[in-house]
Amino acid sequence: NAGVTQTPKFQVLKTGQSMTLQCAQDMNHEYMSWYRQDPGMGLRLIHYSVGAGITDQGEVPNGYNVSRSTTEDFPLRLLSAAPSQTSVYFCASSYSYRGPYEQYFGPGTRLTVT
Amino acid sequence: DAKTTQPNSMESNEEEPVHLPCNHSTISGTDYIHWYRQLPSQGPEYVIHGLTSNVNNRMASLAIAEDRKSSTLILHRATLRDAAVYYCILRDNYGQNFVFGPGTRLSVLP
Repeated sequence: NAGVTQTPKFQVLKTGQSMTLQCAQDMNHEYMSWYRQDPGMGLRLIHYSVGAGITDQGEVPNGYNVSRSTTEDFPLRLLSAAPSQTSVYFCASSYSYRGPYEQYFGPGTRLTVT
Repeated sequence: DAKTTQPNSMESNEEEPVHLPCNHSTISGTDYIHWYRQLPSQGPEYVIHGLTSNVNNRMASLAIAEDRKSSTLILHRATLRDAAVYYCILRDNYGQNFVFGPGTRLSVLP
């Protein structure tokens, strides 16, 4: 199993540009989520999905869109990048939203918005 | 969401045991206690979780107080590779997101 993969690893955007951060998992996990981590801070939840076709907002959803058309993929779209979105983005997956299942994290995407 | 409180930072010497505390006085009966750690420049990784009884795995042990209002993650012999930020998280068994606080930054001295 590749686990949770994220692309790209690094990205530089100009203010106002849009892009999609890709996330995929090959473990047939039901629950997927996106976090952002600013320097020296903990992770904050952006959006999550409890299954294909179902998404919901987390703590900091503004400026981001998600979709979950398949179990495997959970892309995160930045609609119009702003310097405040400079951060490291982590995707995670878990067998289920319910129950004490561990989350598996991807390696992260480091995004800089100038 | 039930909250956890952890020290900002701790230090340990290599090959000595480390006890990382976590307070969670508002824990509910269906909350599991999860521990994750984040090595430098990596995503978090699972360490251990428990509900009421103490738990052991190959990475660590989790000691849970009888009233469940606190817990301690025990690394039996710290190595340099254990230097990381450790997060204590409560999560309801019936469905809830993981909420990460600032965690405890563990430094391991050679």
